[in-house]
Amino acid sequence: SQTIHQWPATLVQPVGSPLSLECTVEGTSNPNLYWYRQAAGRGLQLLFYSVGIGQISSEVPQNLSASRPQDRQFILSSKKLLLSDSGFYLCAWEPGPLNYGYTFGSGTRLTVV
Amino acid sequence: AQTVTQSQPEMSVQEAETVTLSCTYDTSENNYYLFWYKQPPSRQMILVIRQEAYKQQNATENRFSVNFQKAAKSFSLKISDSQLGDTAMYFCAFLMDSNYQLIWGAGTKLIIKP
Repeated sequence: SQTIHQWPATLVQPVGSPLSLECTVEGTSNPNLYWYRQAAGRGLQLLFYSVGIGQISSEVPQNLSASRPQDRQFILSSKKLLLSDSGFYLCAWEPGPLNYGYTFGSGTRLTVV
Repeated sequence: AQTVTQSQPEMSVQEAETVTLSCTYDTSENNYYLFWYKQPPSRQMILVIRQEAYKQQNATENRFSVNFQKAAKSFSLKISDSQLGDTAMYFCAFLMDSNYQLIWGAGTKLIIKP
């Protein structure tokens, strides 16, 4: 069966420090991968998605970047965190073809101080 | 542009009761998908149910069922025999065919009281 792993679960980082959040999927190949951010009490905002290795699409211009170095690995990064980067970050995957419905990771709560 | 509206910010019902959460959407597309996701206090986002717009039959998953009214652009979620574990935020979401970006509603906070 397929599983998605996301870590760390909680992270407190100072302003200006770098960020690396990792997401991996097991039990499938060539998944579509997504990074979402959720502000407190709000819906989800799509940040990046990837349909293959090295293919990254950005939905929102921001201080963050994403990479997909391997088929089932998706990384969210920042060189210098801002206070506004605080939030709950969720990784998700779906099998190709599209529209099957996402499976989400357990999320990372990021607090920038 | 597509939009999704959940008009009930919060609802509460007694355990074992049936509750219906509302969702309306706006689109000019004919082929699309609709979803209900549940986010309990743990904040893990869980897919509850999925509906293809081309299917007239309403989707059902155990105690969860939808009332999909395509002409009215309505997609409500009914939870039967509600349980304490159903307490969560519920999000309605829309996805155009062959698109990547889910359009999300603002969510409905559902509280099941013992």
